Order: sequence, then C-alpha cells, then structure tokens
Amino acid sequence: QSVLTQPPSASGTPGQRVTISCSGSSSNIGSNTVNWYQQLPGTAPKLLIYSNNQRPSGVPDRFSGSKSGTSASLAISGLQSEDEADYYCAAWDDSLNGPPFGGGTKLTVL
Amino acid sequence: QLQLQESGPGLVKPSETLSLTCTVSGGSISSSSYYWGWIRQPPGKGLEWIGSIYYSGSTYYNPSLKSRVTISVDTSKNQFSLKLSSVTAADTAVYYCARLVVWIAVAEYYFDYWGQGTLVTVSS
Repeated sequence: QSVLTQPPSASGTPGQRVTISCSGSSSNIGSNTVNWYQQLPGTAPKLLIYSNNQRPSGVPDRFSGSKSGTSASLAISGLQSEDEADYYCAAWDDSLNGPPFGGGTKLTVL
Repeated sequence: QLQLQESGPGLVKPSETLSLTCTVSGGSISSSSYYWGWIRQPPGKGLEWIGSIYYSGSTYYNPSLKSRVTISVDTSKNQFSLKLSSVTAADTAVYYCARLVVWIAVAEYYFDYWGQGTLVTVSS
C-alpha cells in the first residue's frame, strides 16, 4: 500500500475537465514538491508535471498541477481520447529517503 | 538527447539473484544534481521505486526491499546496475531505469528520463 493515495479510476467525455487527486502526509507532499507521470498503454512512464505545477517541454498546457498542504491534484482540460492512460503522482518522502509513487489512476475517456 | 537502456536476463529462477544493467548514452552519469534509479512495475500493477544511486556511489533504497537490493555504478562505462537477491514470483515485473533530478534547495526530486523497461519473469 502506497504512502500516496490516488483514486483507482477516473473518467470523462471528450472536451471535459477531469481532476485526479493525490493525498499524502507531512513527510512527503507536505514538505516536498509533487510530480505527475503519464503512462500510456504498453509504454514507459513519462514526466507530465514536476515541481507541483511545471510542465516539461512538449507537454500541452491542457495539463496542470496544484498542491495544497498534504494533497495535490492533476487537472486535464479539453479531454482528448489520447489522454486515456494511467496517471501516477510522486513526491520525495523524508522518512523513506526516496520518491514513492501513488497507486495510480486509470483515466478512461468515454 | 539522453537515453537509458536496460539489459539483462528476462528469466530468473526462484531464490536466485536478478541482475540488470542500465546503460546511459547522450550524457554523463557523473553529472552533478542527478541520481540514477530503478523502478519496477508488476504486470497490471503500479510503479514501485526500488532505489537510487549517485555517481559517487551513495545509495538510497526502498526500505521494503533494502535487505535484498544492491545498486552500483560504473562511471567508466556510464552504467549503473541492480542486483535483487532471493527472488520469488512476486518479483516478476517490468524493470525501468531512470534519471532522478535532485535539487535539495527547492525540494525538487523527479524522474525526467526513463528507459523503455525490461520484463523479468521469475519462474523455474
């Protein structure tokens, strides 16, 4: 069981806005920045958001991240079929001395 | 463009040691501000951080695997390696290597480059 908690699934229709939550504690999200990874079927994870709300080059601005206290959220606006993937949050944990991942959220585009 | 490539046996017998190597190209493994890590993903399940290493040899391991894991680095070959001992079927997974950006001053830690992953099956 991960120290970061995500809902196992989320869904939306094309064009909608979807949010995925990530809940942690003072030793991880509460004291370090949050990152999000996107894993398309059959591929390696890809960095989607780093430092709570920063997008690497090439990531569309439809993807945004936020953090408040010991929780974080990933928002996807203008949902597209190509966004159907697994999404993982992660944050360094000062107790573990490492970066645990959340359990992952499977996003379905209806 | 930085690239990482995992290599090693795809099949390991129970109780034996799993050994994988990650070869880094397009950049130096000795760069400051970067650690290098291993992550695994059992079939149909989520990601699990295994451990990370700095080019100097300093390591961090997931406490749940620490007793069985050894990560080492060979700067002359621009490679780092994973050894996981006493494996069982529960260790069957896709194993990824990745670069870990570490910027302590602003509490930033994230994996920015990943290998494609290699499936390791534990079976007799």
